Amino acid sequence: NAGVTQTPKFRVLKTGQSMTLLCAQDMNHEYMYWYRQDPGMGLRLIHYSVGEGTTAKGEVPDGYNVSRLKKQNFLLGLESAAPSQTSVYFCASSYGGEAFFGQGTRLTVV
Amino acid sequence: AQKITQTQPGMFVQEKEAVTLDCTYDTSDQSYGLFWYKQPSSGEMIFLIYQGSYDEQNATEGRYSLNFQKARKSANLVISASQLGDSAMYFCAMREGETGANNLFFGTGTRLTVIP
Repeated sequence: NAGVTQTPKFRVLKTGQSMTLLCAQDMNHEYMYWYRQDPGMGLRLIHYSVGEGTTAKGEVPDGYNVSRLKKQNFLLGLESAAPSQTSVYFCASSYGGEAFFGQGTRLTVV
Repeated sequence: AQKITQTQPGMFVQEKEAVTLDCTYDTSDQSYGLFWYKQPSSGEMIFLIYQGSYDEQNATEGRYSLNFQKARKSANLVISASQLGDSAMYFCAMREGETGANNLFFGTGTRLTVIP
C-alpha cells in the first residue's frame, strides 16, 4: 500500500519554465490538498479538491493551477516559475479524518 | 487572523521529562477537528493525534495526549517521558466543518529538542 506518492522528489527550474507536480493516492480518498512549506511559515494551502473534477483555491493560489481529472490523482502546475516559488511542496489526501501526506517535492527556481 | 497559532518557535526538554507544546485556534464553526503532526529532520509528515470538537474526553495516543480546552480554544500537545527520537518539528492543524472538504489549516510549528 503506497499511500500518497509525489513525483518528482527534487527539481531545479529556471525562471519562466513550467512544470507539473504529480500526486497519486491509492486510498480512495475524496479530498486532496497541495501545500507549500517555507521556513518559519508552516504549511500553507495552495489548492485543494473535494472530489474528482472539482478544485478550489487555498491561502496562496497565485501562480499555481491544479487539476483533478481522476480521483486518485491531483496535479499541481506552475506555468511560469518564479524564484518565490522555491519551496518544499506537499500533497495530502483525506477521507475526512486525518490527512495522509506524500514525502514532499523540493523545488528550486533559479 | 491566524486560524492556528503556535507561539513557541522552539522548545527544549530533558530526556524522560514531559513537555507541553501550545496551540490555540480560531474558528466560528461548532464542528471542527484538531490534529497534531510530527515532522522529523527527514521531512515526512507523521500524524500523531486527533481531537474532535464534540469529543468530551481528551484524546490520547500512547505517550501523546491532547489537552483540549474548548472555551479557551486551545489544543496543547503533551508528550510524556520524552525520548531522543521526539526531536522534531511539531505542527498543530485544524479542519473546519463536518468533513475534510474545508481547508486544513496549519500553524507555523514548534521545534522540539530533547536533551540527553
